Amino acid sequence: ETGVTQTPRHLVMGMTNKKSLKCEQHLGHNAMYWYKQSAKKPLELMFVYNFKEQTENNSVPSRFSPECPNSSHLFLHLHTLQPEDSALYLCASSQDFRAEGNTIYFGEGSWLTVV
Amino acid sequence: QKEVEQNSGPLSVPEGAIASLNCTYSDRGSQSFFWYRQYSGKSPELIMSIYSNGDKEDGRFTAQLNKASQYVSLLIRDSQPSDSATYLCAVNDYKLSFGAGTTVTVRA
Repeated sequence: ETGVTQTPRHLVMGMTNKKSLKCEQHLGHNAMYWYKQSAKKPLELMFVYNFKEQTENNSVPSRFSPECPNSSHLFLHLHTLQPEDSALYLCASSQDFRAEGNTIYFGEGSWLTVV
Repeated sequence: QKEVEQNSGPLSVPEGAIASLNCTYSDRGSQSFFWYRQYSGKSPELIMSIYSNGDKEDGRFTAQLNKASQYVSLLIRDSQPSDSATYLCAVNDYKLSFGAGTTVTVRA
């Protein structure tokens, strides 16, 4: 139990589907993140929300749409994805994105397969 | 130049030996450095953080930081089969940047 919970853990979706990934953190943190991890590639930062404000959008295609209704919840809405979007999507949280020594903690991840 | 570089491995060490993992980073202004361990099919878990030059020890793990050389390393003493995993170096240069990871295999 990491304090960061992601659902679903596994998702298979067609290219025309719309689905969402959900993340909830129970650590009292103020920053939440979405990372993408593809095989043999470094973790890629997608989005950062700090105190519910989006502070980073790392040139992510618009078919990925984040939503952060409060500091404890983060969503990633998915639509018209491509097979190359198949990856492990990791949610993470930390106390404050801009704090020195900012330490992030990951959820278990959501395995996404686009067919 | 990649922001954070690690040897991809795999690094194979016998049980009981020392595993040495290296990481270099490009942003000289970076202040915070982290090592994460990731088992196959699992998410990364934090094992060490280091902010000052020198060594920091935590159990069988020792992190070493040399900001002048832009170099951070992780030593795993008395390696166990349960240490077999991919180790990710991360550098907080305003946004947390990760290396590609070094895969370690501890053979019994």
